[in-house]
Amino acid sequence: GIQVEQSPPDLILQEGANSTLRCNFSDSVNNLQWFHQNPWGQLINLFYIPSGTKQNGRLSATTVATERYSLLYISSSQTTDSGVYFCAVVNRGGTSYGKLTFGQGTILTVHP
Amino acid sequence: GAVVSQHPSWVICKSGTSVKIECRSLDFQATTMFWYRQFPKQSLMLMATSNEGSKATYEQGVEKDKFLINHASLTLSTLTVTSAHPEDSSFYICSARRPGASGVNSYEQYFGPGTRLTVT
Repeated sequence: GIQVEQSPPDLILQEGANSTLRCNFSDSVNNLQWFHQNPWGQLINLFYIPSGTKQNGRLSATTVATERYSLLYISSSQTTDSGVYFCAVVNRGGTSYGKLTFGQGTILTVHP
Repeated sequence: GAVVSQHPSWVICKSGTSVKIECRSLDFQATTMFWYRQFPKQSLMLMATSNEGSKATYEQGVEKDKFLINHASLTLSTLTVTSAHPEDSSFYICSARRPGASGVNSYEQYFGPGTRLTVT
């Protein structure tokens, strides 16, 4: 099946810093989503971005489908940004149609 | 936005009993829902795909007789953990796929808040 690798696995920032999280995937995708899992376990949808660039406030994401990677940018980080960030993809074709495959996540800690 | 609820949010049960977890899409119809399991400090692992009006399809290694899934309506899927044992203790999360949420051919998934199961 498709492999999803996220980097870095851990990231520690001071409040106000910027960061870039990366997601590499091993095959063509027709869905890519970024999530933030808060300390209570809720996954919050950040972006649906199988290709192109999107921005939402301090967050933006870019997916270069032809090169099989996606980037999540967090600017002016806040303590509330802490948590785990997951990238998840749906493999184009094959038997995994519709199923999200998750990366291992990036654990972000923002200190005041 | 798209809201998915889960009930209960946490449950403690004795070994050998069964537990039912409900997953509801509150403001959209979902022909397909998914059930995941997450261990501490790990990623989400897909257990099964739940399709309204048909049998669920289970991932390799997931016991279908132990984890019973019923998708009786376009807004409700249930997961029943039968004869629970301590090793079934985990965080169970459901998601619902909403077609067209991000474009004509999009199928964005929205997640419930999860259910923390502890089997004693």
